[in-house]
This record gives sequence, C-alpha cells and structure tokens, in this order.
Amino acid sequence: SQTIHQWPATLVQPVGSPLSLECTVEGTSNPNLYWYRQAAGRGLQLLFYSVGIGQISSEVPQNLSASRPQDRQFILSSKKLLLSDSGFYLCAWRQGSSETQYFGPGTRLLVL
Amino acid sequence: AQSVTQLDSHVSVSEGTPVLLRCNYSSSYSPSLFWYVQHPNKGLQLLLKYTSAATLVKGINGFEAEFKKSETSFHLTKPSAHMSDAAEYFCVVSLGSARQLTFGSGTQLTVLP
Repeated sequence: SQTIHQWPATLVQPVGSPLSLECTVEGTSNPNLYWYRQAAGRGLQLLFYSVGIGQISSEVPQNLSASRPQDRQFILSSKKLLLSDSGFYLCAWRQGSSETQYFGPGTRLLVL
Repeated sequence: AQSVTQLDSHVSVSEGTPVLLRCNYSSSYSPSLFWYVQHPNKGLQLLLKYTSAATLVKGINGFEAEFKKSETSFHLTKPSAHMSDAAEYFCVVSLGSARQLTFGSGTQLTVLP
C-alpha cells in the first residue's frame, strides 16, 4: 500500500532563516505531488505541484520554492523565512489515473 | 473558473442527531468533488468523492453526499452524529490538467454530548 511521509512534524524557526521541508511517498511510482499551506483559521492554498522529476509548477508567487530531485521526493524550501510563512504545510500525492489526492500528516511551521 | 462555497463556518449538533454540512460549487462543466475531514493538528482524510458516476456518494464513517446539478450543490450528511465526528470539514473541487484542488473555507463541526 502507499504511504506518504512528511518531516519534520513541527518546526520553529527565526525570521530570516532557511527552510527545508521534505515529503516522500512510498509504494507508488511517478506520482503527481503537491504542496499546500493552511494558515491559521483559513482554508488550504495550493503552493506548488509536480507531475515529474524536475517539473515544478507554482500557483502563487511567494517566498518559497519547491524541488523534486527524485521520483517520490518533494521538497519545499525557503532561503529566508518571513513571519507570514507560518502555517501548516501539507504534502499530497495523486496517481495519474485517479482524481483523488492523499495527504501526508503535515508540518507545523512557526516563524518567530 | 471553478470554486466551492461552504455556507456555514460552524455547525453544532447534539450527539445522535443528523449532520448537514452545505457546499455549493460553480463550474462550467461537470466537476469532480470531494469532502475531506481534518481532525485537530492532523492531515486531511478523504471522506468521499464524486467523479460523474452515481449522484449519491457514500463515504467512510457513515457520511454521504448527493451531487445535485440543478442546485449546484454537494451537501454532506450523516444520519446520526458521533462525538468522534467533531472536526473541520472541507468541500473541494478538482480542476486543471494536474487536477489541482481548490478548497472551500471549511466548516467546523462541533458535537455536543
């Protein structure tokens, strides 16, 4: 069966520091991968998606970037965090033939 | 453009009574629609999905939803609420070549003893 992992689970970082969040999927190949952010008291917003290695599409201009160095690995990064980057970051995967996305457990980021 | 509107930000019900969480969508063609649930500090779990098959969709934990094209609605229901149903519920539409998801603003369900 397929599983999706995210780490770290929780992160507290100072403003201006770098960021790297990792998402990996097991039990499938060539998945579509997604990064979402959920700000406090708000719905989820799609940040990036990837249909293959090295292929990244950005949905919203922002302080963040994404990379997909391997088929089942999706990384969310920032060179300098802002206070507004605080939130709950969720990674999701989808098999190309399916409509359904499956979500990871999330990373809670607090920027101070 | 496609979007979803969740009509209630908060819903409170007593344990054992029915649940109704409302969602309306806008789409220029027949959409794929989902309901996800999020328990506190957890990721999202798929409850059910509609992808142009049967209009009445049954999901996990006794939830179901009916796609009504004439009303552009996809309301989530459950006959009898349980304390463990307390969570936030999101109505979601899928669009784009990569099936990007657009989320409603969420409905917080409280179940009273």
